[in-house]
Amino acid sequence: QKEVEQNSGPLSVPEGAIASLNCTYSDRVSQSFFWYRQYSGKSPELIMSIYSNGDKEDGRFTAQLNKASQYVSLLIRDSQPSDSATYLCAVVYSSASKIIFGSGTRLSIRP
Amino acid sequence: GAGVSQSPSNKVTEKGKDVELRCDPISGHTALYWYRQRLGQGLEFLIYFQGNSAPDKSGLPSDRFSAERTGESVSTLTIQRTQQEDSAVYLCASTATDTQYFGPGTRLTVL
Repeated sequence: QKEVEQNSGPLSVPEGAIASLNCTYSDRVSQSFFWYRQYSGKSPELIMSIYSNGDKEDGRFTAQLNKASQYVSLLIRDSQPSDSATYLCAVVYSSASKIIFGSGTRLSIRP
Repeated sequence: GAGVSQSPSNKVTEKGKDVELRCDPISGHTALYWYRQRLGQGLEFLIYFQGNSAPDKSGLPSDRFSAERTGESVSTLTIQRTQQEDSAVYLCASTATDTQYFGPGTRLTVL
């Protein structure tokens, strides 16, 4: 059973600080990794994808992948109240195989 | 271009009735997923269609649930003899390569 694990939170971070979200996955044979953001009452939307070890930056967001340790993380710099949402980690284990979602981490940015 | 669309956006039904939910994926997307999301909960995988392969039905919670997809087009999710515990948002997502694009969901309420 391939699994994707996340801490459900809530994770509370002061405005302007760095929010760090973590995700671990169970199978080393994995190809693609994604972070989705879901606002309350809305559908998930893709914010980052990462495919190789290391860091990938996009604006205030940085995704970090460590395949040896089987974790992927998302850093949000200069956190804003609008970043308050649930963040879903997702993994695709091989080409054209099913995407597996974690249960999500609820992030709250306090002013 | 058009995104994933779902209809109806809201459905209220009486316990014991059948309901049919529709998903129109993005044109050309070969993979299509259905999820259920109960209030305050994570995504619950239901079924996955990939091209002409047999669908992965491993997430369907009971034989009251079924889904069809014709080729790479519209999919319908049918719930027979609805129960109150079926109340949830039903999300559809279609996929190009590995990235999922979600529809707005159908909110189902079973009275």
